[in-house]
Amino acid sequence: DAGVIQSPRHEVTEMGQEVTLRCKPISGHNSLFWYRQTMMRGLELLIYFNNNVPIDDSGMPEDRFSAKMPNASFSTLKIQPSEPRDSAVYFCASSFVSGENEQFFGPGTRLTVL
Amino acid sequence: AQSVTQPDIHITVSEGASLELRCNYSYGATPYLFWYVQSPGQGLQLLLKYFSGDTLVQGIKGFEAEFKRSQSSFNLRKPSVHWSDAAEYFCAVGAAGGYQKVTFGTGTKLQVIP
Repeated sequence: DAGVIQSPRHEVTEMGQEVTLRCKPISGHNSLFWYRQTMMRGLELLIYFNNNVPIDDSGMPEDRFSAKMPNASFSTLKIQPSEPRDSAVYFCASSFVSGENEQFFGPGTRLTVL
Repeated sequence: AQSVTQPDIHITVSEGASLELRCNYSYGATPYLFWYVQSPGQGLQLLLKYFSGDTLVQGIKGFEAEFKRSQSSFNLRKPSVHWSDAAEYFCAVGAAGGYQKVTFGTGTKLQVIP
C-alpha cells in the first residue's frame, strides 16, 4: 500500500487566493482526519470524517476553511480566501475505527501564504 | 472529554543515556493510549499503543511505555538513546467506539548530544 497520499507537497500562494489540499486515505480505512501544525500552536485537529461523514469540525478555524469527503478514497481541504496566518503544514491521516486504532499520517502539505 | 499533558516541551540527553518522556492523560473510562514520533519534515509514525493487558508495552525502535492507571500516566522510555532518536514525540489518547477522535499532546522535542 502506498500509504496516505497528499498533494501538493508544497504550495506557495498569495493572500486572497483559494487553496485546495488533497488527500487519498489508505484503502479500507473508514476514518479521515485533517490536522494543522505550526510552531506556535502545535498539532491541531481541524476536522474528522467517519464513513465520509463529517463528525467533528469544531477545530476548523473559521468559515474560510471547508472540507469535503465525496467518497471513501478522496478528501479535500479548501481555504478561501487564504491569509498569511494560514501558513502551516497540513497533515491528513486515516485509520480504521477512529478512536481505537493507529492513525497513518501522510507526508503533509507545507503551505506558505505570502 | 479526554485530554493529554506532556509537561516537557524540550529534553536534551546524551547519546547512550536512558530516556523517559512523560505523559499524563485524563479520561473517564479505559483509554486507548498511543505514542507517535515525528522526524523533521515527516508525518507522525506510531511507536506503540496500549489498550489492555500487560501494562508494559513494547514498541518499535527499542521504545517501551508503561501504563499506570493510578497515576494516569503513560511514560515512554528507552534504555539507551541513539542520535537518530532526535525527533518530536507525541502522546495521544483515544476511546472505544466508532466515532471517537484521538487527542494529541503538545509534543516533546528530543535533542540528542554526542
